[in-house]
Amino acid sequence: SQTIHQWPATLVQPVGSPLSLECTVEGTSNPNLYWYRQAAGRGLQLLFYSVGIGQISSEVPQNLSASRPQDRQFILSSKKLLLSDSGFYLCAWSPVLTGGAGEQYFGPGTRLTVT
Amino acid sequence: AQRVTQPEKLLSVFKGAPVELKCNYSYSGSPELFWYVQYSRQRLQLLLRHISRESIKGFTADLNKGETSFHLKKPFAQEEDSAMYYCALLSGGYQKVTFGIGTKLQVIP
Repeated sequence: SQTIHQWPATLVQPVGSPLSLECTVEGTSNPNLYWYRQAAGRGLQLLFYSVGIGQISSEVPQNLSASRPQDRQFILSSKKLLLSDSGFYLCAWSPVLTGGAGEQYFGPGTRLTVT
Repeated sequence: AQRVTQPEKLLSVFKGAPVELKCNYSYSGSPELFWYVQYSRQRLQLLLRHISRESIKGFTADLNKGETSFHLKKPFAQEEDSAMYYCALLSGGYQKVTFGIGTKLQVIP
């Protein structure tokens, strides 16, 4: 069966420090991968998605970047964190089928606090 | 551009009462819609999709293209239905979904 992992679960970082959040998927090949930020009252904001290794689509201009160095690995990064980067970050995968993007499987999330 | 609107941030109902979580969408193409649910301390998960026309945990949702709506309904609310519900629209060349802001359902015992 397929599983998705995210780490760390929680992270406290000072302003101006770098960030690296990792997401890995097991039990499937060539999944679509997604990074979201979840905020109360604002729902799920799609940050990045990837349909293959090295293929990244950015949804909103921001202080973050994403990379997919391996088929089942998705990394969210920042060179210098801002206070506004605080939030709850979710990784998800979906099967590569017609319309498969609607069937998304979410990780446990990372709570990032920038101080 | 595609948009999903969930007009209620919080919906409180008594146990045994009917539930209707509203969702309206805006999309120029042929819509495919979904409902996701997040129970307390659990991961966000897919509840149902309109194309399957299924009933999950007593919930149903019908796509109304004329009203551009996809409301989630259940005839009798149960306490375990308390959760955050998100409506989602498949978009972007069918490679991503657009989520609404979510509605928190609170079932009062």
